Amino acid sequence: AQSVSQHNHHVILSEAASLELGCNYSYGGTVNLFWYVQYPGQHLQLLLKYFSGDPLVKGIKGFEAEFIKSKFSFNLRKPSVQWSDTAEYFCAVRSNYQLIWGAGTKLIIKP
Amino acid sequence: SQTIHQWPATLVQPVGSPLSLECTVEGTSNPNLYWYRQAAGRGLQLLFYSIGIDQISSEVPQNLSASRPQDRQFILSSKKLLLSDSGFYLCAWSGVGTIYEQFFGPGTRLTVL
Repeated sequence: AQSVSQHNHHVILSEAASLELGCNYSYGGTVNLFWYVQYPGQHLQLLLKYFSGDPLVKGIKGFEAEFIKSKFSFNLRKPSVQWSDTAEYFCAVRSNYQLIWGAGTKLIIKP
Repeated sequence: SQTIHQWPATLVQPVGSPLSLECTVEGTSNPNLYWYRQAAGRGLQLLFYSIGIDQISSEVPQNLSASRPQDRQFILSSKKLLLSDSGFYLCAWSGVGTIYEQFFGPGTRLTVL
C-alpha cells in the first residue's frame, strides 16, 4: 500500500532562513502529490499540487515543491521564510479516491 | 463557490453517550466526502469516505460509523463513546472536477470524559 513519510516532525527556523521539508512516498508510477498547510486556528488548506508536467510546482505564498520521480520525493521549499509561515505542513499522495497523508511537520519561525 | 460546514465546533461528552457530528457541503453536486481524525504527531487518519449516497467505506475498525442521508450531508456517529474517541474530527470533500484535491471543514474538537 502507498505510504508517505515526512522526515522532520518539528522544524524551528529564524526569519529569512531557507526552508526545505522532506516528503517521500512509497509507490512509483503515476502519482498525484499535494502539500497542505494548517495555520494556527485555521482550516487545513492546499498549498500546492502536482499532477503532471513540470516537476517544479509553485504554490501560494512563495512556496514551491519539486517532484523527483527517481527519488520518490516531493520536497517543499521556500527561499526565505517569514514569521507568518509558522504552521503545520502535510504531504499527501493520491491513492484511488483517497489521499494518503504524512504525519506532518510543525514549522516554527522565530521572529 | 463551494463551502463546507461542520458542527458542533467543540463537544464534551461522557463515556458511553452517543455521538453525532454533522458535515454539509454547499455549491457542488455528488461530492466525495471524507471523515478524518487528526491526532498530534500522527497526521490525518482517514475514518470513512463516501463516493455517493449509501456508498460508504470504512478504513479503520472502530467504535464509529458514518452515514450519508443526502448527497451533500455526511454524519459521523457512535452509539457509545469511549475515552479513546477524543480527538479532532475533520470533514472534507473532493469533486470530480477537482480530481482528488480535498477541501476541509473547520473541524470538531471532541472530548470524552
